[in-house]
Amino acid sequence: DADVTQTPRNRITKTGKRIMLECSQTKGHDRMYWYRQDPGLGLRLIYYSFDVKDINKGEISDGYSVSRQAQAKFSLSLESAIPNQTALYFCATSDPILNNEQFFGPGTRLTVL
Amino acid sequence: DAKTTQPPSMDCAEGRAANLPCNHSTISGNEYVYWYRQIHSQGPQYIIHGLKNNETNEMASLIITEDRKSSTLILPHATLRDTAVYYCIVRVVSSGSRLTFGEGTQLTVNP
Repeated sequence: DADVTQTPRNRITKTGKRIMLECSQTKGHDRMYWYRQDPGLGLRLIYYSFDVKDINKGEISDGYSVSRQAQAKFSLSLESAIPNQTALYFCATSDPILNNEQFFGPGTRLTVL
Repeated sequence: DAKTTQPPSMDCAEGRAANLPCNHSTISGNEYVYWYRQIHSQGPQYIIHGLKNNETNEMASLIITEDRKSSTLILPHATLRDTAVYYCIVRVVSSGSRLTFGEGTQLTVNP
């Protein structure tokens, strides 16, 4: 079984809809991250969390919110989706004891029409 | 985190060594060099990291120049499955925060 899972894997939605992307991990890591990737570009950090009570904005947090429901779960929400949020979204985890190597999920492809 | 510069694309013949360069001339003394790769829209995969000494693991070798302003990732015997975008990232390990991804190098391994 995959250590970091994301649901859904693909989603098509309409402008103005609220959507939630979910991430679960079985690695026991405290630190979790959400990134987005646009075609031909590298990943950009949206939000990150160092533990259940800690939430931090990344470089492109506008239009997004997150919830850390438990150590193993980190959800990303788009309160009112817009077309330029069409992208590939990745969740990742890391353990500071293990040199903070980040482990990525398989990604969620989101299309906003 | 220090900025990195990588060539946008490289080609390599299958079975040969792939040498991927990275410039990080503004690197600080406490910043490590990390390499990740991303195979066609999959989640990025950690390859290797180092501070100043050369490093080797089962996937690759990392050669860092003495002044630490550049490094080279070496895949000793490239296979078709190594075709991917390779990202060189410089950051402080203890920060535990973002990986700042640039555009990376698209490595294509040809049969």
